[in-house]
Amino acid sequence: AAGVIQSPRHLIKEKRETATLKCYPIPRHDTVYWYQQGPGQDPQFLISFYEKMQSDKGSIPDRFSAQQFSDYHSELNMSSLELGDSALYFCASSPGQQTYEQYFGPGTRLTVT
Amino acid sequence: AQTVTQSQPEMSVQEAETVTLSCTYDTSESDYYLFWYKQPPSRQMILVIRQEAYKQQNATENRFSVNFQKAAKSFSLKISDSQLGDAAMYFCAQHPQGGSEKLVFGKGTKLTVNP
Repeated sequence: AAGVIQSPRHLIKEKRETATLKCYPIPRHDTVYWYQQGPGQDPQFLISFYEKMQSDKGSIPDRFSAQQFSDYHSELNMSSLELGDSALYFCASSPGQQTYEQYFGPGTRLTVT
Repeated sequence: AQTVTQSQPEMSVQEAETVTLSCTYDTSESDYYLFWYKQPPSRQMILVIRQEAYKQQNATENRFSVNFQKAAKSFSLKISDSQLGDAAMYFCAQHPQGGSEKLVFGKGTKLTVNP
């Protein structure tokens, strides 16, 4: 079965640089979520999109922005990167109104040096 | 605000035996969903089992089952016939009813399976 695809899987950036993370949800899933997981921590919700509209927002820094495109893929843009942004970034998708299960991608490991 | 508490930072079990991981939660919602996710060393988040709050029957998926006590706001995970591949971090999570809402996770329980 198709799963959530995230790219890149690993990313190394320097402080103050910009990063773009991409997420391709499971086909026919209309809701996308972004989570950030720091070392030894639980995933923290950043932002979600339903039918290409932002539906919920968590503790996402103003330096970060995201959008969902017409083909339902989503991108998380991160600017002015800080050392503290180093984390595993998960994208999850859900069929939305049909079920409340969220299926996670493999994550993008971002390292800021 | 929704909170999820996992009081056991670490647990261990002998291979082939049974282990129960605890989870309690707090919510003002009347309808919600509860989940257990497994995160092995690969860091992939894998959905193990889900429970709808309006269902009294406890969910079961093969060797995994839950004990859902709605009044007590308790949602424990039982793993039977533990296997080495069950070793992972287990996260309990809550999701209110309604399409586009976040998952709220507990801090996780690290499960070690001893051969």
